[in-house]
Amino acid sequence: ETGVTQSPTHLIKTRGQQVTLRCSSQSGHNTVSWYQQALGQGPQFIFQYYREEENGRGNFPPRFSGLQFPNYSSELNVNALELDDSALYLCASSAGQGVNQPQHFGDGTRLSIL
Amino acid sequence: GESVGLHLPTLSVQEGDNSIINCAYSNSASDYFIWYKQESGKGPQFIIDIRSNMDKRQGQRVTVLLNKTVKHLSLQIAATQPGDSAVYFCAENRAGGYQKVTFGTGTKLQVIP
Repeated sequence: ETGVTQSPTHLIKTRGQQVTLRCSSQSGHNTVSWYQQALGQGPQFIFQYYREEENGRGNFPPRFSGLQFPNYSSELNVNALELDDSALYLCASSAGQGVNQPQHFGDGTRLSIL
Repeated sequence: GESVGLHLPTLSVQEGDNSIINCAYSNSASDYFIWYKQESGKGPQFIIDIRSNMDKRQGQRVTVLLNKTVKHLSLQIAATQPGDSAVYFCAENRAGGYQKVTFGTGTKLQVIP
């Protein structure tokens, strides 16, 4: 069974740029969620994708957007990068969007904004 | 508002002893709770979960207790090992049509050899 994989592992960008992060869900999982984890904090929910549509969103501005593909993989796009966007971005997948489905995480993409 | 909090930021335990990590939550509507372990440079790793219709669940060397009356849950690790050193997060989810898992700030468990 293949776990959640994310790419790239590290990325450095400058303010104002745009970035795309990628995630392959665990085999058999059709729901993908994205989280932002600042240093020393718990992950914060960005949004969730199910059946290629966003079906839930946390308190993040519209410049954070995403996609889910027919094979359940997903992308997180962030436009107009700000210094505060520096964080670990985590992708999690689950077998369904039900509340009681445990989410399994990848090891994240460390994004640094200069 | 949403709140999942942990009582202690750091917990030091002697190898072989039992560890207890506590967590409080504020929303009575929370109905699913998860404990995650996060090692340095890695993503959170699922440990154990519990639904609100249960008060105890056991896994391998771990037990989660849920007290809905005082909105408190705990993670007990038996015979703590050096490999248990990590940050532990409790997280909660609630009915709402999608999974919006809310994490606390974490407890760092340090195992003393």
